[in-house]
Amino acid sequence: GAGVSQSPSNKVTEKGKDVELRCDPISGHTALYWYRQRLGQGLEFLIYFQGNSAPDKSGLPSDRFSAERTGESVSTLTIQRTQQEDSAVYLCASSLPGSDGYTFGSGTRLTVV
Amino acid sequence: KQEVTQIPAALSVPEGENLVLNCSFTDSAIYNLQWFRQDPGKGLTSLLLIQSSQREQTSGRLNASLDKSSGRSTLYIAASQPGDSATYLCAPQGGYSTLTFGKGTMLLVSP
Repeated sequence: GAGVSQSPSNKVTEKGKDVELRCDPISGHTALYWYRQRLGQGLEFLIYFQGNSAPDKSGLPSDRFSAERTGESVSTLTIQRTQQEDSAVYLCASSLPGSDGYTFGSGTRLTVV
Repeated sequence: KQEVTQIPAALSVPEGENLVLNCSFTDSAIYNLQWFRQDPGKGLTSLLLIQSSQREQTSGRLNASLDKSSGRSTLYIAASQPGDSATYLCAPQGGYSTLTFGKGTMLLVSP
């Protein structure tokens, strides 16, 4: 596609429910990244995919967070048993491998009530 | 672990001023450095990408410089406009191509 697409754009969920966030990277971009931005805070790295493997998942905050990627396309970030502190904007980015720039999606704003 | 500091945290200027945003980072072993802007409630827009072998990049009224050895980058905005109002983020790219972000400089340009 022309850009990185994320869905849904907004999600309100009840505490304790599971949520799935989706990212469609730019076609041909083998690298995919998930970041989180809490209100008033900087971007926190969550996980990096190269193809469908995740060489760096060091930023996932707990075992309630998981992510997978199908081949070199769609990625899904799953948060189980959501908590209020999970409320944030979840941003996905993709890039070609190597020292190239990132392209970000518009993000999913998650609100846990 | 890479740490990124951006100064100032916030800046308010009248339209037409030239301004400089500063970024410093602790680990100079980077592949490149990218500057982004973020508008309220929106994602990030890439402004400039400087490869580690380069000293500067220019795009329109924007000029970014990189001094990799001293861990510094600056973003220069010429003749600022109200449409430039946004948060500007600096992000060096290191291992596994992971970007590390600063907390940003929030810029307000008044008409």
